[in-house]
Amino acid sequence: KAGVTQTPRYLIKTRGQQVTLSCSPISGHRSVSWYQQTPGQGLQFLFEYFSETQRNKGNFPGRFSGRQFSNSRSEMNVSTLELGDSALYLCASSTGTSGEAVDEQFFGPGTRLTVL
Amino acid sequence: AQSVTQPDIHITVSEGASLELRCNYSYGATPYLFWYVQSPGQGLQLLLKYFSGDTLVQGIKGFEAEFKRSQSSFNLRKPSVHWSDAAEYFCAVALRGFQKLVFGTGTRLLVSP
Repeated sequence: KAGVTQTPRYLIKTRGQQVTLSCSPISGHRSVSWYQQTPGQGLQFLFEYFSETQRNKGNFPGRFSGRQFSNSRSEMNVSTLELGDSALYLCASSTGTSGEAVDEQFFGPGTRLTVL
Repeated sequence: AQSVTQPDIHITVSEGASLELRCNYSYGATPYLFWYVQSPGQGLQLLLKYFSGDTLVQGIKGFEAEFKRSQSSFNLRKPSVHWSDAAEYFCAVALRGFQKLVFGTGTRLLVSP
């Protein structure tokens, strides 16, 4: 099976712009989660989507949004970019169907976003 | 507040020596526990996980971890480190029913010849 893919791998934007990142989960996985990784804050959970619905959300401002399509692919969008949004954005997929359990999450290589 | 602590930011180990990376968590209930490894420029790879049962968990690449409820710890160990183990290691927890991982700050492992 192919792993989790993220596009693009690298992105440079300027302050005030918006950006869209894409994530294709492992075939058959219906849950997609997004994480932000920075040297100062470490790895932080952004949100999780399951069957096109946001199921969990982290503590990020409304400038960060996401969506999931019927084929489970997901996009996240950051509007009005700030310098502090420079980070590695990681996507993870899982089956998402374990109910009370927690599924193993498989991570993609990430998108490195630089905001100038 | 829920938190995961990895007290060691950097650790240097000689190749062939044993390794122990520390992880402590603060949660109201026993969470699900994970160790991930991240090589430079790469995503995260799961080494092992603990959900319940035997408190000594075996993972990939020769790693193991022991869950100690009384100490709220989940330390990662390897009996003999290889140069290819140099990477950053993250401990993570998740609560039942939530596909949300809370990560520690990571420990960077350096392996000396």
